[in-house]
Amino acid sequence: AQSVTQLGSHVSVSEGALVLLRCNYSSSVPPYLFWYVQYPNQGLQLLLKYTSAATLVKGINGFEAEFKKSETSFHLTKPSAHMSDAAEYFCAMVIAAGTALIFGKGTTLSVSS
Amino acid sequence: KAGVTQTPRYLIKTRGQQVTLSCSPISGHRSVSWYQQTPGQGLQFLFEYFSETQRNKGNFPGRFSGRQFSNSRSEMNVSTLELGDSALYLCASSLEQLMNTEAFFGQGTRLTVV
Repeated sequence: AQSVTQLGSHVSVSEGALVLLRCNYSSSVPPYLFWYVQYPNQGLQLLLKYTSAATLVKGINGFEAEFKKSETSFHLTKPSAHMSDAAEYFCAMVIAAGTALIFGKGTTLSVSS
Repeated sequence: KAGVTQTPRYLIKTRGQQVTLSCSPISGHRSVSWYQQTPGQGLQFLFEYFSETQRNKGNFPGRFSGRQFSNSRSEMNVSTLELGDSALYLCASSLEQLMNTEAFFGQGTRLTVV
């Protein structure tokens, strides 16, 4: 079955520390992969997406993610966390044209000073 | 350029009632999708409309229905509300199929069923 798994429902880092949010997918066909961020009482904003071009994808706000087919992973990283990065992050995939986004359960990122 | 607009932002309904939520997509976008977000189940796909036709449907009971108008605005209806329908309902619009374009989300409608 097609699914997205985010390891760790809650990640805490200090300001300035590396951010690593993990995402693994299960798909019988090559997927398109996305990372979205959600701030409290807001909708989802696209951070970045992988569409089979470059395996290292750069997004907004200094985030990037690397697609690793052998590990079926698409982990999100940011070299230096900022207080404003505190939010919930969702990994998602689309497996075929005309189909919907399949989301992971989300990871809440907390950033402390 | 205006974003995706969902109305109302907050709703409180009584069990057994019905509710209609509205979504106005970004101008020019023909696809509108609806998602239910709950703490326990996360984000789950309800349905997608493209050019007034339901193109895709998630695994929800028939109490959940929707439609899309010629101007691409979409409505979602839930009949015979249950306590478990309490959730944030998110609408997303895109130009076309998600493998070719990006989905833009509205701020959602927070539905509370009491």
